[in-house]
Formats: sequence, structure tokens, C-alpha cells
Amino acid sequence: KNQVEQSPQSLIILEGKNCTLQCNYTVSPFSNLRWYKQDTGRGPVSLTIMTFSENTKSNGRYTATLDADTKQSSLHITASQLSDSASYICVVSGLRGGSQGNLIFGKGTKLSVKP
Amino acid sequence: DSGVTQTPKHLITATGQRVTLRCSPRSGDLSVYWYQQSLDQGLQFLIQYYNGEERAKGNILERFSAQQFPDLHSELNLSSLELGDSALYFCASSVDTTGNEKLFFGSGTQLSVL
Repeated sequence: KNQVEQSPQSLIILEGKNCTLQCNYTVSPFSNLRWYKQDTGRGPVSLTIMTFSENTKSNGRYTATLDADTKQSSLHITASQLSDSASYICVVSGLRGGSQGNLIFGKGTKLSVKP
Repeated sequence: DSGVTQTPKHLITATGQRVTLRCSPRSGDLSVYWYQQSLDQGLQFLIQYYNGEERAKGNILERFSAQQFPDLHSELNLSSLELGDSALYFCASSVDTTGNEKLFFGSGTQLSVL
């Protein structure tokens, strides 16, 4: 069964600290893996997209890594800010071609950054 | 601002009723996706339209239907509403050339069925 598991479920860190969020997936075949940030009550916003040939991608203070062999990904947040408080969602696509109807969403990691 | 517009932002209705959610995609995007997000659950894919045609179907109930119009805006119709249909409904759009493009999400419609 195609699944995306994220850990931890929630995380509290102090402003300025770094953190790493984990994502394990069993989706096959694999096309790409995305990380989204979702503020409470808002739509998700794309942070990174990695295909199977990429093993790292950065977007400002966000760095995603991908190990397609072990089917694991991580999202590292550097020098956290209060505005980083949000849910971070790992999404895996198993389809190639023009449709994204087979995206599998994880339940997200809820990050709280405290002053 | 993602460029995807959803209306209304909030909707409160009673069981058994029918509602329509509306979505305008980003300019130039031909694909529209609908998702349901229940409390503490991941986003569940409902249905996709591409340039007016249904392209993919997910876990969409028979009581739900959608369509995409010639101007590319889309509507999601929910009928015979039940308490369990209370959720955030998101629309997303994409150019969908290769399947590796970003999805841009609207701000969602919060549906409360009382």
C-alpha cells in the first residue's frame, strides 16, 4: 500500500535553533517528493520538489534531502524563526506524466517555534 | 498569494443540504485539483480536471461532483451533506506538463455541517 509516514508528529523548538523533520515512504513507482508548509487554516505552499535523481535541494533556510534507495527524506530548517511555526507536509508522487492525481500526502509534522 | 481563488471562505449549513464551492485557478494553469482535509488528517485527493475534462478521480463520494468550465474555473458540488463532510476543502492548480510542476493551493473553504 502506498504510504507516507512523517515523524515526529509535533515538535517544539526555541527560536534560532535548527531542526530536522523526517519522511518515510513506500510509494512505488516513485516520481518525485515534495515538501509543503501549511500555516493554520491556509493552503499548503510548496518548499521543494525533488525527482529521483536529486538528493538535496535548498530553498532559503530550508534544505530537503532524498535517499531514493532507503525511501527516506528529511527537511532541515536552519536558524528557525517564529514564522516557521506551521505544519510541514511530505508528499510523494508515484506517477510519471501529466497528472498529479496520485500524490500521496503525509499527515504532517506540526512545528512550533517559541521565543 | 498563490493566485488560486476559492470562494466562499466559510460555509455553514445543515445536514441534507447541498452546497457549491468555487475555484479560479492561476492564470495559464489548465489543471484543477480538489482536496479534502479533515481535522488532523492528511489531504485527500478528490478529483482532477484538465482543460475541461475529468482526468483523475480519487476518494470522491458519489454525493460529490465537480466540473470545470470553459473559462477554466471549477466548482465542487456537495449534496445530501452529512456531519462527517465537515472539513477544509482545497483547490489547487498546475500547468501539468510533466507532472513534476508545483501545485498552487487556494486558501480553502471551511465547510461546517451542523
